[in-house]
Amino acid sequence: DQQVKQNSPSLSVQEGRISILNCDYTNSMFDYFLWYKKYPAEGPTFLISISSIKDKNEDGRFTVFLNKSAKHLSLHIVPSQPGDSAVYFCAALSNDYKLSFGAGTTVTVRA
Amino acid sequence: NAGVTQTPKFRVLKTGQSMTLLCAQDMNHEYMYWYRQDPGMGLRLIHYSVGEGTTAKGEVPDGYNVSRLKKQNFLLGLESAAPSQTSVYFCASSRDAPSTDTQYFGPGTRLTVL
Repeated sequence: DQQVKQNSPSLSVQEGRISILNCDYTNSMFDYFLWYKKYPAEGPTFLISISSIKDKNEDGRFTVFLNKSAKHLSLHIVPSQPGDSAVYFCAALSNDYKLSFGAGTTVTVRA
Repeated sequence: NAGVTQTPKFRVLKTGQSMTLLCAQDMNHEYMYWYRQDPGMGLRLIHYSVGEGTTAKGEVPDGYNVSRLKKQNFLLGLESAAPSQTSVYFCASSRDAPSTDTQYFGPGTRLTVL
C-alpha cells in the first residue's frame, strides 16, 4: 500500500501563473519530505525539502508547505516557466534509509 | 564529473535469462541505492548499500541480488528474469544518509522481459 500519494497525475498551467502540486502521506513516522523533478530520459533531481519541525521552506520560485496534522504537503512554483514542465515526485523519509515516493505529477507549462 | 552512470540504457530479456545492471558513481559517495519505477507508481527501493562491502534489502528485494565490491560501483543482478521485472531501474548515490544528504540519480535503465 502506497504511503505517499500524489492524487493528481497531471497539471497544466499557463506560463507566469502559480503551479500547486499536492502530496498526502499516511505514515506518521515520516519526518523529512522532499520533492524531486524528472525530465524524460533522465533520472530525478532533487528540488527542495522540508523537515517535519517546519511548516514552510522556500527556495527561489519554489516553496514547500507542510501540514502535519493533515499529513499533507504541497509544492508551489511561482511563476511557472516552460522549463518547469516535468514530472514532480513527492518523497518521504522515516527513521531508516528508505525514501517512499509518490507516483508523480506531470506538469505542463503552456506558453 | 560524470555523476551517476548506468549501464546499459536499454535491454530486452527473455523469461529466465539473467543479467547484471551496473551503476557507477564518481563522487566518492558512501551510500548507493537501486530503485524501480513502474507506471502509476513511485520509485520503489530494491536494495541499498551504506558502504563498500555492505548491502541491505529495500522495499521490493525479491528476485534481485546486489553487490558492492568497490565503493564506486553497485551491481544489480537478475538471476532468472520474469515479465514482472519489466521496469525502469534507477540507481542513486548519496554522501551520507538520506536524512542528511541528497540522493543523486542516474539516467535509468529500461528493461523489458518477454
